[in-house]
Amino acid sequence: GQQLNQSPQSMFIQEGEDVSMNCTSSSIFNTWLWYKQDPGEGPVLLIALYKAGELTSNGRLTAQFGITRKDSFLNISASIPSDVGIYFCAGQRGNQFYFGTGTSLTVIP
Amino acid sequence: GAGVSQTPSNKVTEKGKYVELRCDPISGHTALYWYRQSLGQGPEFLIYFQGTGAADDSGLPNDRFFAVRPEGSVSTLKIQRTERGDSAVYLCASSLSGTGNYGYTFGSGTRLTVV
Repeated sequence: GQQLNQSPQSMFIQEGEDVSMNCTSSSIFNTWLWYKQDPGEGPVLLIALYKAGELTSNGRLTAQFGITRKDSFLNISASIPSDVGIYFCAGQRGNQFYFGTGTSLTVIP
Repeated sequence: GAGVSQTPSNKVTEKGKYVELRCDPISGHTALYWYRQSLGQGPEFLIYFQGTGAADDSGLPNDRFFAVRPEGSVSTLKIQRTERGDSAVYLCASSLSGTGNYGYTFGSGTRLTVV
């Protein structure tokens, strides 16, 4: 299936630090989304991006849809302990979302 | 209900047995999706329903997997002759329309373990 490369695979940061993660694809997507998944739960939508070049913020989160439509990044500013979890990017084509392999974030108080 | 409900939350079954996994989408959501998530991986698409019909079943791995949504609400994912490789978390999601422009709302999943 479609492969989305997400990096880094894991991150260990101090509380208050900023975080950046990104997602690249060999194919073009019409929509990029970022999800967060806590243990034992389904992914929860954080940010959706619909246009190439779009930069969108949601509180401490900022995400951008790459100009080539083949990549996206997510930034988290001033991290807090509840930011811990696995972050997934997803690209939409037609009825399907193709998910990356996830970035595991650990925030050290 | 307020969210997507999946039952059971955990299912352990023996290799070769038949299992059914149930999904109750958010009321009024016409689109329903099944995904499978293996350990350490992102979710992988299985099937998409628009109303009662399977609009896209291209993600079903083989003919042991089948899903129905007879009244356009609750959906059941059915797996015949289960294999150990079927062990995964099966996620259901729903959205207001098929375009999913607002993203999906996922349930908490059913963790299937085939022993």
